[in-house]
Amino acid sequence: KQEVTQIPAALSVPEGENLVLNCSFTDSAIYNLQWFRQDPGKGLTSLLLIQSSQREQTSGRLNASLDKSSGRSTLYIAASQPGDSATYLCAARGNNDMRFGAGTRLTVKP
Amino acid sequence: DTEVTQTPKHLVMGMTNKKSLKCEQHMGHRAMYWYKQKAKKPPELMFVYSYEKLSINESVPSRFSPECPNSSLLNLHLHALQPEDSALYLCASSQGQPRLGETQYFGPGTRLLVL
Repeated sequence: KQEVTQIPAALSVPEGENLVLNCSFTDSAIYNLQWFRQDPGKGLTSLLLIQSSQREQTSGRLNASLDKSSGRSTLYIAASQPGDSATYLCAARGNNDMRFGAGTRLTVKP
Repeated sequence: DTEVTQTPKHLVMGMTNKKSLKCEQHMGHRAMYWYKQKAKKPPELMFVYSYEKLSINESVPSRFSPECPNSSLLNLHLHALQPEDSALYLCASSQGQPRLGETQYFGPGTRLLVL
């Protein structure tokens, strides 16, 4: 059974810093790895999706990488802003399921 | 229209009540999903419908009954729930090939409280 772990569980940084969120998964037989953002009490917003054949995806200040062989993905956020404060979840999509990590709660202080 | 909508936003029900959650999308997606998310926990997949057919049921108790009347609409019928079923219920949709791993688009969720 796929297990997805996210480190750190919480992160607080000053505005303007670059930061990296980590996601690891135990079963490398995935179709894709997706990063989401969730604001308190809200639904999920898809940020980036990396197919299993890809190494990275970029969207604006966000860059996600995928290393299937080591079971790792990272989300890089450049020049963080207070509006980036949210919980960031990664999800590994397998044959019959989609497993989420517990998330990293990010706070960007002005 | 790139939205997944869910109604109601909030629901309080007793353990003997029957209620339904509704999810709708008009993006032409043919796969729809129900997730359950407890407080401070990640979402857990409950059901997947692909082309209006139930393709995945993650061993969810029978007090949760999904229904997909058409490709745009997904319901979750609730009956005889327990207080531990209180959670945020999220609906999502994708183009139609869940096994290929497509981007899922999520609704805002229905926050359910069972008394």
